[in-house]
Amino acid sequence: IQMTQSPSTLSASVGDRVTITCRASQSVTTWLAWYQQKPGKAPNLLISKASNLESGVPSRFSGSGSGTEFALTISSLQPDDFATYYCQQYENYVTFGQGTRLEIK
Amino acid sequence: EVQLLESGGGVVQPGGSLRLSCAASGFTFSSYAMAWVRQAPGRGLERVSGISGSSTYIYHTDSVKGRFTISRDNSKNTLYLQMNNLRAEDTAVYHCAKGTLEHCSGRRCYNFDSWGQGALVTVSS
Repeated sequence: IQMTQSPSTLSASVGDRVTITCRASQSVTTWLAWYQQKPGKAPNLLISKASNLESGVPSRFSGSGSGTEFALTISSLQPDDFATYYCQQYENYVTFGQGTRLEIK
Repeated sequence: EVQLLESGGGVVQPGGSLRLSCAASGFTFSSYAMAWVRQAPGRGLERVSGISGSSTYIYHTDSVKGRFTISRDNSKNTLYLQMNNLRAEDTAVYHCAKGTLEHCSGRRCYNFDSWGQGALVTVSS
């Protein structure tokens, strides 16, 4: 299963509401996770099962979608949120999206 | 607290070998699948190899089949990746990652709730 994220790069300001999308080449039902990665650091699991927020993850993060179309939304960007985000399907083995870099405008 | 600490990275010539290790703590190691996920410079994430908690199920991505071998020693809480016949395109940071299940159920697998900081492998002459 191919995972395609858009956009590849997103420029935004503190306080903005942003949405990153992830499209699967075939249905993954809701077996989708989102990760945040900062430069030189390990990825951090944010959301599992498409919309389940992991413990300790701020509530400004939310996930939605099912089937082939998914979204990660940050309701009000904070300085700590500028990072690269990856989706990952686990319906059919494991594949990651190519990543979306969220940068400061 | 879950901790995963990789070691064994370095610089190796094409055709050479390296063995990565990942020391795990803070959870019941044998109850969870583990994986090696690599990230080439400036690139995204790629699961290279995976292994179930009991080592019954093993996965290698096509590009490393026949060259890489994943294994684990549950008595030592340690995950390994033996890498032989290394190529320039294997250059990457290799992260070990903890799965959220003991093994895949058919094709349905798992996400990864803990990751190590990574070990840099550079293949260059």
